[in-house]
Amino acid sequence: GAGVSQSPSNKVTEKGKDVELRCDPISGHTALYWYRQSLGQGLEFLIYFQGNSAPDKSGLPSDRFSAERTGGSVSTLTIQRTQQEDSAVYLCASSRIRTSGVDYNEQFFGPGTRLTVL
Amino acid sequence: ELKVEQNPLFLSMQEGKNYTIYCNYSTTSDRLYWYRQDPGKSLESLFVLLSNGAVKQEGRLMASLDTKARLSTLHITAAVHDLSATYFCAAANAGGTSYGKLTFGQGTILTVHP
Repeated sequence: GAGVSQSPSNKVTEKGKDVELRCDPISGHTALYWYRQSLGQGLEFLIYFQGNSAPDKSGLPSDRFSAERTGGSVSTLTIQRTQQEDSAVYLCASSRIRTSGVDYNEQFFGPGTRLTVL
Repeated sequence: ELKVEQNPLFLSMQEGKNYTIYCNYSTTSDRLYWYRQDPGKSLESLFVLLSNGAVKQEGRLMASLDTKARLSTLHITAAVHDLSATYFCAAANAGGTSYGKLTFGQGTILTVHP
């Protein structure tokens, strides 16, 4: 079946501009995650949505970062007033929290959006 | 705060040899994951380990979990070139509001030479 999709695959922007990154999770997955991968910081958790619960925003690096998830499906990560240190690959993942009573929470990752801030 | 450390960070192997990648985590975690990443690609799920003593095998890769030692290992048997990639382990928070959050190790870059 279809996996997690993300768009755009590449985004080049100028410092100070706003960007929006989109994630379409696997159908039926109730949990959605955003991570960031950069050379200096490795793989970092950003934000986590689970069903109708309040999102866990503990990984967002500053108030320039925000995310929403509409209708329990598609999510958008927004970065305002981009800075050069925001350059990274932004990865989205989704999971089904419980499978037949066993909680695997196996997260499936999308291809990522490579963001370059000039 | 959960921290995850892998070693080695770089591993150069000859084809046919065996080796082990180690993953230590700092606080209680009830799920441990291994992922593979090829250059320019996303992460591919390899193993999910849920309980102490869990062992899973797929081809030349075998993963195990010791929750008492807070240690997981990824053992490579008779390495082949196709296994060249970066391998990440990740541990999940045991509960609370950060239940789904994964904390990743630094990654191990594996290169298999003829």
